[in-house]
Amino acid sequence: GQNIDQPTEMTATEGAIVQINCTYQTSGFNGLFWYQQHAGEAPTFLSYNVLDGLEEKGRFSSFLSRSKGYSYLLLKELQMKDSASYLCAVSPHGGATNKLIFGTGTLLAVQP
Amino acid sequence: GAVVSQHPSRVICKSGTSVKIECRSLDFQATTMFWYRQFPKQSLMLMATSNEGSKATYEQGVEKDKFLINHASLTLSTLTVTSAHPEDSSFYICSASDPTGAYEQYFGPGTRLTVT
Repeated sequence: GQNIDQPTEMTATEGAIVQINCTYQTSGFNGLFWYQQHAGEAPTFLSYNVLDGLEEKGRFSSFLSRSKGYSYLLLKELQMKDSASYLCAVSPHGGATNKLIFGTGTLLAVQP
Repeated sequence: GAVVSQHPSRVICKSGTSVKIECRSLDFQATTMFWYRQFPKQSLMLMATSNEGSKATYEQGVEKDKFLINHASLTLSTLTVTSAHPEDSSFYICSASDPTGAYEQYFGPGTRLTVT
């Protein structure tokens, strides 16, 4: 089966750093994605990891360890607008049929 | 980035009726599109993979006769919820990948379905 786990909720302070973890067990692996979703809106792409290591993009970084089935999303210099759900998703097969299996999502609340 | 649209954005229908939701890739051709459903405060659940010119592939537990998917062209996939019931009320989101691009999937803005 497919299993992707994330913490349900997190709270952090404006200006701080927060790390959102994701562990996965899937039938195959062809990449891990992080998406941000504000309430009532579609997810927006944040990052993609297919090889082990850290990918940095501005205030957001994402790390992957394939041997551990583990990823995290790191958000720096938190802003109030970062309050949203963060979704971890795995592509088990890749290619043209690269369907995504989503984790449970982490609702992040940024407080002043 | 690429743009995917959905129509309608919101729809309210009566129990027992059918509702059609359209998903369009506006600036690229998508041989494959995906349909997801999201209940309040939950994550996205993949319902089916829509394949242009062939039958959709449904995930386990999704009734193919209730959720009809048609992918008649490279830019349009439709999801029809037949004989809708209140428990079908949900946020339906489609996505598509640009086969000439990289790995990223582009999501439509979603359709909020309320069945009364």
